[in-house]
Amino acid sequence: RKEVEQDPGPFNVPEGATVAFNCTYSNSASQSFFWYRQDCRKEPKLLMSVYSSGNEDGRFTAQLNRASQYISLLIRDSKLSDSATYLCVVNMDTGRRALTFGSGTRLQVQP
Amino acid sequence: DTAVSQTPKYLVTQMGNDKSIKCEQNLGHDTMYWYKQDSKKFLKIMFSYNNKELIINETVPNRFSPKSPDKAHLNLHINSLELGDSAVYFCASSQAGGANQPQHFGDGTRLSIL
Repeated sequence: RKEVEQDPGPFNVPEGATVAFNCTYSNSASQSFFWYRQDCRKEPKLLMSVYSSGNEDGRFTAQLNRASQYISLLIRDSKLSDSATYLCVVNMDTGRRALTFGSGTRLQVQP
Repeated sequence: DTAVSQTPKYLVTQMGNDKSIKCEQNLGHDTMYWYKQDSKKFLKIMFSYNNKELIINETVPNRFSPKSPDKAHLNLHINSLELGDSAVYFCASSQAGGANQPQHFGDGTRLSIL
């Protein structure tokens, strides 16, 4: 089983749609969780941290389910500029401070 | 004002050569990292330094040697380059202390081995 697993997609959605991505992680002791965004041929950029109680940032909502070991990202009212690869990222070992990246879910928002 | 900068952005070289990639961050972070992103877009940690001290050294061939002259710089030297080394190499940095610190990435070095 991969340490961090995501559906690679692509998810093709029309503008204005709501889309959700899930991600599962293998280590139940994982401490911190993030969603990063990576545009084609660019570096990953932090989209948002994921908190235990769930958190929202504008059109983006992140949820964490520790019991089932998954994280989700919900994007409402999709924009063309949301087209990117969304990386689920987990810090599995606080001592090492190493992030484990999922292979990403590609989103294509179409006009 | 680039926060994490890497040079060069592109590196095309022949098999067997030795090359270096440099990274600098001006965020005042204590921890720096090297990641490799292969053709399948999978991003994997290679090394991490905290305040010039090596703290993570994943299963990476000995041909790869990181060096951190100070906490704002982390360079990567690669000896005897092989075809399989072709990838995008990302440098990143984060604040030390606490597991909830996100990482800031440089814009990558695209290494192509001929």
